[in-house]
Amino acid sequence: GNSVTQMEGPVTLSEEAFLTINCTYTATGYPSLFWYVQYPGEGLQLLLKATKADDKGSNKGFEATYRKETTSFHLEKGSVQVSDSAVYFCALSDGWGSTDKLIFGTGTRLQVFP
Amino acid sequence: DGGITQSPKYLFRKEGQNVTLSCEQNLNHDAMYWYRQDPGQGLRLIYYSQIVNDFQKGDIAEGYSVSREKKESFPLTVTSAQKNPTAFYLCASSIGDGYEQYFGPGTRLTVT
Repeated sequence: GNSVTQMEGPVTLSEEAFLTINCTYTATGYPSLFWYVQYPGEGLQLLLKATKADDKGSNKGFEATYRKETTSFHLEKGSVQVSDSAVYFCALSDGWGSTDKLIFGTGTRLQVFP
Repeated sequence: DGGITQSPKYLFRKEGQNVTLSCEQNLNHDAMYWYRQDPGQGLRLIYYSQIVNDFQKGDIAEGYSVSREKKESFPLTVTSAQKNPTAFYLCASSIGDGYEQYFGPGTRLTVT
């Protein structure tokens, strides 16, 4: 079945450091891929998405490229801020009417220190 | 502003009582979802509904019930049959298959 695997956290960085959070997936067909962010005590917010191979999603300085050859969708940011501290979830949707469920990874906690 | 509202933000109940969590959306989305999140863990799907008057069980539906009488509303009842009801509950909606989901702020339920 479809699945998403994320690197375990927490990821601890100093402000202005480079961030990578790895995400790989297993899916049949051509899934859409998403990154969500959850700030403490809140719901999830869509951060970025990509719907086909080689698409790059970007938002708020974060980027992720849909790599079909490596089945990956790694999240990157060139210079993190303390305000980026949150839990990041990678997710996929296989669409095509089979189900409109999203399959989520387990989340990666990012802690950024000044 | 369009969005999803969940109320209340914090809810406390005694063991053995049923409790209903509210979820309302004004995004005109057809599909709605309920997830459970436990500390340090990911999301697990409880129930989802693709259209009014229809819903399907997710991965952990036992001890929960839902209704979808209106497009805007998808309330979740946590029954006394749910063995470990204390958790953070998230409601979401989407326009349909394969599209991103938009989440509410969540309700933290504590049962003692």
